[in-house]
Amino acid sequence: AQSVTQPDIHITVSEGASLELRCNYSYGATPYLFWYVQSPGQGLQLLLKYFSGDTLVQGIKGFEAEFKRSQSSFNLRKPSVHWSDAAEYFCATRSNDYKLSFGAGTTVTVRA
Amino acid sequence: DTGVSQDPRHKITKRGQNVTFRCDPISEHNRLYWYRQTLGQGPEFLTYFQNEAQLEKSRLLSDRFSAERPKGSFSTLEIQRTEQGDSAMYLCASSLGGQNTEAFFGQGTRLTVV
Repeated sequence: AQSVTQPDIHITVSEGASLELRCNYSYGATPYLFWYVQSPGQGLQLLLKYFSGDTLVQGIKGFEAEFKRSQSSFNLRKPSVHWSDAAEYFCATRSNDYKLSFGAGTTVTVRA
Repeated sequence: DTGVSQDPRHKITKRGQNVTFRCDPISEHNRLYWYRQTLGQGPEFLTYFQNEAQLEKSRLLSDRFSAERPKGSFSTLEIQRTEQGDSAMYLCASSLGGQNTEAFFGQGTRLTVV
């Protein structure tokens, strides 16, 4: 079965600093990969997705992610974090029947 | 607002009571999904519909859970004889049916069983 692993449970970053969130996937073929963000008590908002093609994908809110097949990774990055980026971030992969499998999430805290 | 909407946003119920949640997907989306999210975890798949047909149910969905999507529009998720372990956020999502599509999520229904 397809799955993703997010090794970092919690990350604290200073406002204005760069952010990188790790995601590793397990799947033989080229996976469909997603990053979602969730603010407290809210639903999930899609940041970006990778289906095929260019391995560096741009998303909303200044986020980008890079698909690296050799490392089975799809890490999320942002060059300069804003206080409003404090949230929980989920990496997910999708099977051929459209079900999403999520990682456990990484909570991002932004300090002033 | 043309996004996925869920009702109610919050529900507190006593153990043993039945509850029903509603999800209205994005109007042109033929696929609808239910997920459950417990504190500190990622969402877990429960079930999904293509139009009005329920195509798969997770083993997480015990006999006390039932979902419907009459006429392929809105969907309901009912939990009978609620237990404290049912306390969670229930998320609904919808998508188009093609390969290169993504799921859009609603705000969720937070269920607390006391």
